[in-house]
Amino acid sequence: GENVEQHPSTLSVQEGDSAVIKCTYSDSASNYFPWYKQELGKRPQLIIDIRSNVGEKKDQRIAVTLNKTAKHFSLHITETQPEDSAVYFCAASTGGFKTIFGAGTRLFVKA
Amino acid sequence: EAGVAQSPRYKIIEKRQSVAFWCNPISGHATLYWYQQILGQGPKLLIQFQNNGVVDDSQLPKDRFSAERLKGVDSTLKIQPAKLEDSAVYLCASSFLGLAGLSYNEQFFGPGTRLTVL
Repeated sequence: GENVEQHPSTLSVQEGDSAVIKCTYSDSASNYFPWYKQELGKRPQLIIDIRSNVGEKKDQRIAVTLNKTAKHFSLHITETQPEDSAVYFCAASTGGFKTIFGAGTRLFVKA
Repeated sequence: EAGVAQSPRYKIIEKRQSVAFWCNPISGHATLYWYQQILGQGPKLLIQFQNNGVVDDSQLPKDRFSAERLKGVDSTLKIQPAKLEDSAVYLCASSFLGLAGLSYNEQFFGPGTRLTVL
């Protein structure tokens, strides 16, 4: 079946450094790619998303890039802060249908 | 605006018992999702409704799981009988139905129901 692979599973960075999380999807029909942040014991919340007609999107310290040919997309967080520590999930869907989430990346930002 | 509401927040049952979860989406959101999130994994879509119709239930274990959204608003997810492997957090989410019937938009998640099957 279709799937989304996410790497790394755990990422530890020093405060102020950058963090990059990568995802690969298998369904070539996927055209919407959201990223969610889930803090311990809380619900997932959207932090940024990108549609297939765009190659890159930025919102302050976070950015997402999409390579449709290679079927992968990445989340970039610059100037990381301790409050960025959480689990990050990528997802892929086709027109809002068949949403598939990655397994998650646990990000630790060390002060 | 009020968020997605779910109840109960926690439930402990023994295997082979039945359980039901309730979700009230954000007002005006036509699309409703039920996800299963096993500890340490990403959410897995179980079923997606658009208004009161099912648009995707390909990953719903239909021999034991059922869901309904009779009036296109609230939804219930039922497990009968429960198995040990059903222990997970069950997340409900909703989104606004955009143009051309496509739900590209942000999914808003509820707080989840943590189910423990003993």
